[in-house]
Amino acid sequence: DAGVIQSPRHEVTEMGQEVTLRCKPISGHNSLFWYRQTMMRGLELLIYFNNNVPIDDSGMPEDRFSAKMPNASFSTLKIQPSEPRDSAVYFCASRRQGNTEAFFGQGTRLTVV
Amino acid sequence: DAKTTQPPSMDCAEGRAANLPCNHSTISGNEYVYWYRQIHSQGPQYIIHGLKNNETNEMASLIITEDRKSSTLILPHATLRDTAVYYCIVRGMNRDDKIIFGKGTRLHILP
Repeated sequence: DAGVIQSPRHEVTEMGQEVTLRCKPISGHNSLFWYRQTMMRGLELLIYFNNNVPIDDSGMPEDRFSAKMPNASFSTLKIQPSEPRDSAVYFCASRRQGNTEAFFGQGTRLTVV
Repeated sequence: DAKTTQPPSMDCAEGRAANLPCNHSTISGNEYVYWYRQIHSQGPQYIIHGLKNNETNEMASLIITEDRKSSTLILPHATLRDTAVYYCIVRGMNRDDKIIFGKGTRLHILP
């Protein structure tokens, strides 16, 4: 199993541009999580899905952020327009329903200049 | 908000046991204690979890007090590769239970 796959690994973009981060969860996992990590705020849960349905998006910082999960094998996190304060490492994680541990991807390091 | 309290940092000599404490005084009866760690520049990695009994696997041991208000993660023979941030997390087993990370403990293994 290749684990949770995130792309791109690194993204540098200019302020105001649209950014799309992608995640492929582990096959058979029913839950998917998006986190953001910064030095100041640590690991923050942005949104999570169960069976492709968003359950809790209370961690999404503002309307510029949106996340979708069109099918069980793919999710996107979009920032439009991006701002320098969005610079962070974004992690995706997945978990099998009934299984207890979550598996994390390697993250996408986003830099907005 | 995270429901756990951990020391911000700890040191441990290589080859010795590393004992990482965690307080979770508001834990409820159906909530488990989980431990993850994050090695620099990587995603968090699951270590172990437990409800009320002590648990052991190939990575670590988890000791939970009888009142379940605190626990200790034990790495029996720490190596330099165990240098990481260790997170103690409390969560239920419902389908919609979130995984919320606190600040964790930064463990330095000293050669």
